[in-house]
Amino acid sequence: GEDVEQSLFLSVREGDSSVINCTYTDSSSTYLYWYKQEPGAGLQLLTYIFSNMDMKQDQRLTVLLNKKDKHLSLRIADTQTGDSAIYFCAEATSFNKFYFGSGTKLNVKP
Amino acid sequence: GAVVSQHPSRVICKSGTSVKIECRSLDFQATTMFWYRQFPKKSLMLMATSNEGSKATYEQGVEKDKFLINHASLTLSTLTVTSAHPEDSSFYICSAHGGGGYTFGSGTRLTVV
Repeated sequence: GEDVEQSLFLSVREGDSSVINCTYTDSSSTYLYWYKQEPGAGLQLLTYIFSNMDMKQDQRLTVLLNKKDKHLSLRIADTQTGDSAIYFCAEATSFNKFYFGSGTKLNVKP
Repeated sequence: GAVVSQHPSRVICKSGTSVKIECRSLDFQATTMFWYRQFPKKSLMLMATSNEGSKATYEQGVEKDKFLINHASLTLSTLTVTSAHPEDSSFYICSAHGGGGYTFGSGTRLTVV
């Protein structure tokens, strides 16, 4: 299957920006997504970007897509303790299947 | 917005018994539903894709006789873990396609003792 990779951990201080990176392999991806998972909960869609876009901004969230390098990033501005969670990137292929990264655990220190 | 209800949220069962997990789209019709399994500290793994009224398509390595999927209506898909064993303990999440996008359920934590 397709490979989607993320670093496992990220620790930042409250108020700083967080940048979570993701790489993928399927060049036919149609959409790329970022999901947030809090302990014991399901996936919450944060944002997504269509594969022909470079950037998308939504309040504190900025998604950057480098299609040439197959690199996706999520930047969270002014990170808060409530942002502590696991963040998954996912690519949706032309067959409507999702392939997820392993998740990045974001720890926000007060 | 689109809502998917997954039930139960937690279940503990004895080894050798079967467990059924339900996934319902509450305010839209889901022609396709997906079932995922999350391993500890690992990614979500797609198990199977189910289309209403037809047999599910399983990903490589997923035992179709062990993980029975039924998608009998446009709003309901079920995953039955048959003859469960401790190694089946995991977090299972469904996703429904419809209503303009993909919506995930809240997941089911299965513990087999």
